[in-house]
This record gives sequence, C-alpha cells and structure tokens, in this order.
Amino acid sequence: EVQLVESGGGLVQPGRSLRLSCTASGFTFDDYAMHWVRQAPGKGLEWVSGISWNSASVAYADSVQGRFTISRDNAKNSLYLQMNSLRADDTALYYCGKDTGLVPAAPIDYWGQGTLVTVSS
Amino acid sequence: SYELTQPPSVSVSPGQTATISCSGDKLGNKYACWYQQKPGQSPVLVIYQDTKRPSGIPERFSGSNSGTTATLTISGTQAMDEADYYCQAWDSSTGVFGTGTRVTVL
Repeated sequence: EVQLVESGGGLVQPGRSLRLSCTASGFTFDDYAMHWVRQAPGKGLEWVSGISWNSASVAYADSVQGRFTISRDNAKNSLYLQMNSLRADDTALYYCGKDTGLVPAAPIDYWGQGTLVTVSS
Repeated sequence: SYELTQPPSVSVSPGQTATISCSGDKLGNKYACWYQQKPGQSPVLVIYQDTKRPSGIPERFSGSNSGTTATLTISGTQAMDEADYYCQAWDSSTGVFGTGTRVTVL
C-alpha cells in the first residue's frame, strides 16, 4: 500500500524558515517524480514544486521561486521542501504527492494527508 | 502564467449527468487530469490523460479534451459524488490547477 506521510509543519513567524519532510513507502521511491501541492484554508489547490526521480529536474511555481527548494533523498525514501522567507500567504496545508512518471509532468496518483504551515506573528 | 478556469459550482439531481468544464489556452494540446476532493480529505485522481480512469474509479466518470476546454462528466451522479473537482495540466514543466468546481447533488 502506498503511503506518504508529511511532517514538519507548524506555526512560524513571517520571514523565518521551515523544512517539510515526506516519507514514502509501499512503492519504489526512486522510480517516480514527486511533488508538493498546497491548499490555503478554504481555497483551491496550488501546485508548488516538483522534482524528477534523480533530482536532475526541478520546477517551482512563480509564487515560491527563489524562496523554496525541493529535494529528495532516495536512500531514505524521503522528499523535502525547504521554505525560506515565509510570508502570510504561504499559510496552507502542504501535500506531498507521487507522480506517475519519472519527471514532474504527469498526474499525481497518490497524496499524503498534508502538514499545516501557519505563517503569523 | 498559464491559467485554467472552472465554473465555481454545478448542481445536479441524483441520477442525472453533471458536466464540469475547464478552460485554458490551447488546453487541447496538453493532457488534462481531474481530481476529486471531499471535505477534510486529500484529493483523489479520477481522470488522467484526458480520458483514462485509474483503477477503482467508477465508470460513471469520464473525460474529454479538445480545443480550449477539457470536460469531466459524471453520469448517473450519486450522492457520494458531492465534492470539489479540480482540473490540472502542465505548462512549461509547471503544474497548473484549475480554480475548482463544487458539485452539489440536490
């Protein structure tokens, strides 16, 4: 059974940093691209970032470009999102998602339960 | 930046057909997929590559994509189909979600 478990969310002040983690199980992690998707309270889905199976290809939404960094450790079956210079509008539930292919350009067929990030002073 | 536009809401009677549109520039030249999200739950993929259903998704869910519009159709809508639905496509290696449509089964 595929499982994706996010962690690392919490309350953080504007301008500070936070690192999210996603631990995967139930599939061959290094065979698939991975994504982060967020959802602000009461709002729609927003794609944040994606990374290829071998980390060679990464992409970001304009809203986080230059502030967020996606990475993965295939030996640990883990995906990460380093979030710097956080702003109030980064407040959201952050989901980890598994792509159906090697590069981040295909549907997300499995989602975690999400980890909540709240940016507030 | 690329945008996908959906109607905010669609209402349907049980057993009838619900149709949800997703509009974007030259969307028909890209693959579209659709997700269902029920309150308090994570999204679930219901259609990918325009028309394909993942394993476990009922046959009443179908999709199409042509020109500037992708469409999700729910035939014989059931109460359990009441949810938010999002289309998604890729533009220049960037993922884009639609604005979302709330389907209400009256």
